[in-house]
This record gives sequence, structure tokens and C-alpha cells, in this order.
Amino acid sequence: SQTIHQWPATLVQPVGSPLSLECTVEGTSNPNLYWYRQAAGRGLQLLFYSVGIGQISSEVPQNLSASRPQDRQFILSSKKLLLSDSGFYLCAWSVQRTRGAGNSPLHFGNGTRLTVT
Amino acid sequence: GENVEQHPSTLSVQEGDSAVIKCTYSDSASNYFPWYKQELGKRPQLIIDIRSNVGEKKDQRIAVTLNKTAKHFSLHITETQPEDSAVYFCAVNTGGFKTIFGAGTRLFVKA
Repeated sequence: SQTIHQWPATLVQPVGSPLSLECTVEGTSNPNLYWYRQAAGRGLQLLFYSVGIGQISSEVPQNLSASRPQDRQFILSSKKLLLSDSGFYLCAWSVQRTRGAGNSPLHFGNGTRLTVT
Repeated sequence: GENVEQHPSTLSVQEGDSAVIKCTYSDSASNYFPWYKQELGKRPQLIIDIRSNVGEKKDQRIAVTLNKTAKHFSLHITETQPEDSAVYFCAVNTGGFKTIFGAGTRLFVKA
């Protein structure tokens, strides 16, 4: 069966420090991969998605970036964190389909709670 | 782009009563409508989904209805239990890579 691992679970970082969150998926090949952010008490905002190695699409202009160095590895990074980057970051995967993720549900990791101080 | 509105933002019901959450969307090309449940501090998990060629789908105590003409869909939970207390998100996908979420409904089931 498929599993998704996301780490760390919690992170407290000072403003201006770098960030690296990692996500890996097991049990499936060529997944679509996603990074979502959830502010406290809010909905889910799509940050990045990837349909293949090295292919990254950004949805929200910001000081975050994403990379996919391997088929089942997705990394979220920042060179300098802002206070507004605080939130609950969720990695997700879905089945790769010819015309996109369309009818395939998202499977989320356990999330990383980031607090920027 | 697609816009998804979800109501109500908070819903409180007595145990055993029914709960209904409604969502509207803007893009008529949308064809996939999943619902996710998120318990406090945990990840969202799919509870039910419906595709545009279906008007209603039921799974035990939960059901989803879709009105493509009016561009709205609803989640129905019958015989609510305290463990149904959570935040529920509707979502919409147009067949592409983006799944757009509603703002969420916080459901409280009082014992």
C-alpha cells in the first residue's frame, strides 16, 4: 500500500533563517506531488505541484520554492523565512493520470507545523 | 480561476441529528468533487467524492449530492456522533492538477 512521510512534524525557526521540509512517497510510481499550506483556522492553499522529476509549478508568488530531485521526493525550501510563513504545511500525492489529477483524490502527509518567531 | 464557497463556517448539532454542509463553485468545467475531514491537528482525509456524471452518492451515514446546473454540491451526515466532530472541507477539480478547497466547516456534535 502507498504511504507518505513528511518531516519534521514541528519546527520553530527565527525570521530570516532557511527552511527545508521533506516529503517522500512509497508504494507508487510517478505520482503527482503537492505542497499545501494551512493558516490557523483556515482552508488549504495550494503552493506548488509537480507532475515529474524537476517539473515544478508555482501557484502563489512568495519566498518559498519547491524541488523534486527524485520521483517520490518533494522538498519545500526557503532562503529566508518571514513571520507570515508560519502555518501547517501539508504534502500530498495523487495518482498520475494522462490529463492531470482530475478524478484522483489527494492523500496527505501528517503535516509540519512551522512557527516563525 | 475556480472559486469555491463553503457554508456554514461553523455548525453545531445534537448527537443523532443530521448535518448539511453546502458548497458552490464557479467553473462549469469542474468534474470532480471530493470531501475531506480534518480532525484537530491532523491531516485531511478523504471521506467521500462524486464525479460530474453522478447526482448522488452514499456511503453509510454520509452522502453527497451534486447539482451541476446550479453549480453546487452538499455533504449530508445523518445520525451524527461525537466522533463526527471535525473540520470538513469541500474541494473541486476541473480535471487538471489543481484541487481548490473551500474554507472549511467546523462541525460540533454535542452529546
